[in-house]
Amino acid sequence: GAGVSQSPRYKVAKRGQDVALRCDPISGHVSLFWYQQALGQGPEFLTYFQNEAQLDKSGLPSDRFFAERPEGSVSTLKIQRTQQEDSAVYLCASSTQTGTEAFFGQGTRLTVV
Amino acid sequence: AQTVTQSQPEMSVQEAETVTLSCTYDTSESDYYLFWYKQPPSRQMILVIRQEAYKQQNATENRFSVNFQKAAKSFSLKISDSQLGDAAMYFCAYRVPYNTDKLIFGTGTRLQVFP
Repeated sequence: GAGVSQSPRYKVAKRGQDVALRCDPISGHVSLFWYQQALGQGPEFLTYFQNEAQLDKSGLPSDRFFAERPEGSVSTLKIQRTQQEDSAVYLCASSTQTGTEAFFGQGTRLTVV
Repeated sequence: AQTVTQSQPEMSVQEAETVTLSCTYDTSESDYYLFWYKQPPSRQMILVIRQEAYKQQNATENRFSVNFQKAAKSFSLKISDSQLGDAAMYFCAYRVPYNTDKLIFGTGTRLQVFP
């Protein structure tokens, strides 16, 4: 497809369960971002990749959050031992290079019950 | 630290009328980018308009224009000839001008458009 694709679109997890969220960026896009958007809030930065290198993970809220992009394309955001406060929409965005427009996916809505 | 503030949680406008959404930000940088994004119920963030801080001229994209006041750190969005399809959440965002290009978002304004 032409845009950023995220899967699944919806995920319900029991508290304590591990989850993995996938992001397929636009082909050829070097930069990839993950954001967390709590209900009624604006997105908040989690982490940034340039190709396969994770250059900024300052926004990850705890060591239960882990992101990877091993081949510089698809990225996975993993949350271990999910808690209720992890419930949010997780948005992925990609761009061609530094300084250019970022294109967003439709996000994954995670609900922890 | 950079912050972005949107003080209007909700706004409404009648179709074909004009509405202005407010945004203020705080930064010590002199060169940066500001954005307005639209987020419909589908959740996908769509870029509406962008402004480079070093440009004095206000950006315009069809019915959308900004009033950028650098000294006041104000960046409002004007939507002219509002259409039903403009109804959405609107987020103001600031882009950190170095390292990662990460965006800092405001809390959003929900725009309702009435026929």
